[in-house]
Amino acid sequence: GESVGLHLPTLSVQEGDNSIINCAYSNSASDYFIWYKQESGKGPQFIIDIRSNMDKRQGQRVTVLLNKTVKHLSLQIAATQPGDSAVYFCAENWAGNQFYFGTGTSLTVIP
Amino acid sequence: DGGITQSPKYLFRKEGQNVTLSCEQNLNHDAMYWYRQDPGQGLRLIYYSQIVNDFQKGDIAEGYSVSREKKESFPLTVTSAQKNPTAFYLCASSISSHSGANVLTFGAGSRLTVL
Repeated sequence: GESVGLHLPTLSVQEGDNSIINCAYSNSASDYFIWYKQESGKGPQFIIDIRSNMDKRQGQRVTVLLNKTVKHLSLQIAATQPGDSAVYFCAENWAGNQFYFGTGTSLTVIP
Repeated sequence: DGGITQSPKYLFRKEGQNVTLSCEQNLNHDAMYWYRQDPGQGLRLIYYSQIVNDFQKGDIAEGYSVSREKKESFPLTVTSAQKNPTAFYLCASSISSHSGANVLTFGAGSRLTVL
């Protein structure tokens, strides 16, 4: 399943499928990006980050892709599990001291 | 375990009352932040502090106040001047706010409801 930026804030996928969550960021000067996962009623948790001098970074079951030409960031989750159900935010950073957050995408994993 | 502790988790306030949300970190982080989260919106920055005894307004500082008397603590007061204070409040910290590329670590949040 795939979400399309801020226009589709919900995404439902079958357990075991791959998920792709997209984020269109706003500032071409942004040089650092983070994906956070937020479960209901809890604070955001760090998933993975990427600097602007990279196009791709992989973690455990997650991959972040950065396309600076179109100011687009994506989070790929492999073999999605029920525990992955949450809201996912991208955050962009420039000038060191402030982050700006997207509205988030709600991911629901169907067992 | 190192982390950020926010309290209380739930808070109810009558109109016209000031309330203070606590945020304590034992990560030895220099920078601390307060964000507000409303349904369907991204996190919005209220105040941030880069160092003890110094803080700056964020995008939505009106009706809020903060202090940073100790490195570990960054309490947020929601005053009666805040017109729509019902929200989920998140405190965060980072190693330094100057060098960039610093991960924000978040607390579990405090949910404020105005009755």
